[in-house]
This record gives sequence, structure tokens and C-alpha cells, in this order.
Amino acid sequence: AQSVTQLDSHVSVSEGTPVLLRCNYSSSYSPSLFWYVQHPNKGLQLLLKYTSAATLVKGINGFEAEFKKSETSFHLTKPSAHMSDAAEYFCVVSDSPSGNTGKLIFGQGTTLQVKP
Amino acid sequence: DGGITQSPKYLFRKEGQNVTLSCEQNLNHDAMYWYRQDPGQGLRLIYYSQIVNDFQKGDIAEGYSVSREKKESFPLTVTSAQKNPTAFYLCASRPGGSGGKGYTFGSGTRLTVV
Repeated sequence: AQSVTQLDSHVSVSEGTPVLLRCNYSSSYSPSLFWYVQHPNKGLQLLLKYTSAATLVKGINGFEAEFKKSETSFHLTKPSAHMSDAAEYFCVVSDSPSGNTGKLIFGQGTTLQVKP
Repeated sequence: DGGITQSPKYLFRKEGQNVTLSCEQNLNHDAMYWYRQDPGQGLRLIYYSQIVNDFQKGDIAEGYSVSREKKESFPLTVTSAQKNPTAFYLCASRPGGSGGKGYTFGSGTRLTVV
């Protein structure tokens, strides 16, 4: 079965400093992996996705993630945090290699706090 | 612009009452999903539908029911059998076919049982 583990429930950074949100996955096949962001009482917005193309994936708002099969990791990074980045972030894996059902399996979420 | 509309944004329900959450999409997506979000638990799948007139239970379907009579609509009913219905509910859709194609999420409905 597929699963994802977000290693930090809460991350706090100062504005202008780098962001690192950690995610490990478990999968018996090459997975489709995503990072979503959610601002308070809002829906989810896709930041980026990995679907077996380039291992370094660039997303919106300056975020990127690197797929490392040997480490089963898909960590999300940003060189310089902005106040507007404060939100909940979810690492997500698709449930099957063919994606026939398209079910998403979510990590528990990481709350990113950005201090002035 | 195409998208998913969830209504209402906030909903209050008395214990013992059924309530229906609306989800409408104009993206011509084949598949639709309902997720429940609780603090610290990420999102959990309630029900999903890959085509009209067909739907499948997700991981936490007990106490919920759905219908898919039209491609655009996938309403979720929270029944009185759901023991802890207070949560944030998110609807999503995507095109049919394989792979991680284009999920779109609605803005959610916050349900509170009073």
C-alpha cells in the first residue's frame, strides 16, 4: 500500500530564509507525487507534481521538490520564504501505478509559519 | 472560468439531522471525489465516482452517502449515523484516465454539529 509521512507537523522560519518541508513516501512502484498548499479555510492548490519525468520538479511561487528514489523522499524547498507562504502544506501520493482510480493519499500536513 | 463550486461555505446541523453538501463542476471532468479534513490528520477519502451513475466507497464511507446522476454534480449527504461529522469537507475532480492528471479542488464546506 502507498503512504506518505510528513516528518514535521510544524515548521517555523524567518522571512527571507530557506524553507524545507520533508516528506517520505512508501510505494511498491514508481509513484506520482504531489505537493499541495492550503490557506486557512480554503481549498487546495497544486504547487508541483512528479510523474516519473525529471527528478527535480519546479513548481509555482518559487517552490521546488526533488524526487530521490534511494531515500524514498520528496522534500519541498524554497530559497527564500515570504510572509504569504504561511499555510498548510500536504505531500500526496497517487494510489496506483496506472492511476485508474485516481485516489490521493495525503500526508498529515505541515504548518509553515513565517516570522517577520 | 471553469472550476468546482462547493456550497454552502459554512453549515450548521443539529444532532440527528441529515445534511447535504453540494459540489458542482464545469470542467467536464469524469471523476469526482469527496474528502474529509480534520486537524492533524490530512485528508481522508469518503467516496469517489469515476463515471456517472457509479461511485465507490473510500476509506471512511460509514455515515455518508452520495449520488452521481449528472456528470457535473456529486452531492454528499452526511447522515445521522455519522458519529462525528464536524469537519471540513473538500470536493475534487479530475479528467478520466491514468496518472496524476489535473486534480481540481473546491474551496470546501465547514460543517459544524450543534
